[in-house]
Amino acid sequence: RKEVEQDPGPFNVPEGATVAFNCTYSNSASQSFFWYRQDCRKEPKLLMSVYSSGNEDGRFTAQLNRASQYISLLIRDSKLSDSATYLCVVNILGGGADGLTFGKGTHLIIQP
Amino acid sequence: NAGVTQTPKFQVLKTGQSMTLQCAQDMNHEYMSWYRQDPGMGLRLIHYSVGAGITDQGEVPNGYNVSRSTTEDFPLRLLSAAPSQTSVYFCASSADEGLAGTDTQYFGPGTRLTVL
Repeated sequence: RKEVEQDPGPFNVPEGATVAFNCTYSNSASQSFFWYRQDCRKEPKLLMSVYSSGNEDGRFTAQLNRASQYISLLIRDSKLSDSATYLCVVNILGGGADGLTFGKGTHLIIQP
Repeated sequence: NAGVTQTPKFQVLKTGQSMTLQCAQDMNHEYMSWYRQDPGMGLRLIHYSVGAGITDQGEVPNGYNVSRSTTEDFPLRLLSAAPSQTSVYFCASSADEGLAGTDTQYFGPGTRLTVL
């Protein structure tokens, strides 16, 4: 059974702080990992892919831990505009569109 | 590029009515998918297509039909609307990324459907 678990939050964080949240996945055949961002009443948009060695994009850092089957997202120097729901998405090898599993999302609120 | 477009943005139906949600993309993507998003649930796959003329069922296909006559268009038909189909519907497209699976999903703006 494919499953992706996220803490729904909300995470209330003061502006400028660092925040991190994890996502666990149950299918050991998972090979592709992503973080999507979804603003209120909008469509999800890709934030970043997650690579085995970890990767960084500006203030955002994504990590993968295959042994413990989780991925993480760290946001440094948080901005008000970072307030959104962050969706964890995994795919199995060769899974195609039907192999994608979406987490329910973590709600982040950056407070002034 | 317009990306992925969906119409209508909002729709209210009565139980038993039928309707078609439209989805189009101008990125020449082979993969197209329909998802529904409900409060407290993750995005769930309804139907998907790996190319023109090819469709398949996702996790929650009952009550919905799709067709893919062109690369650009992927309409979703509700056959006889039920209150349980009240949801936000997202269409998405992606390029075929080969063995890595389907990479970046580009979502449309969504259709908010209420069935009374």
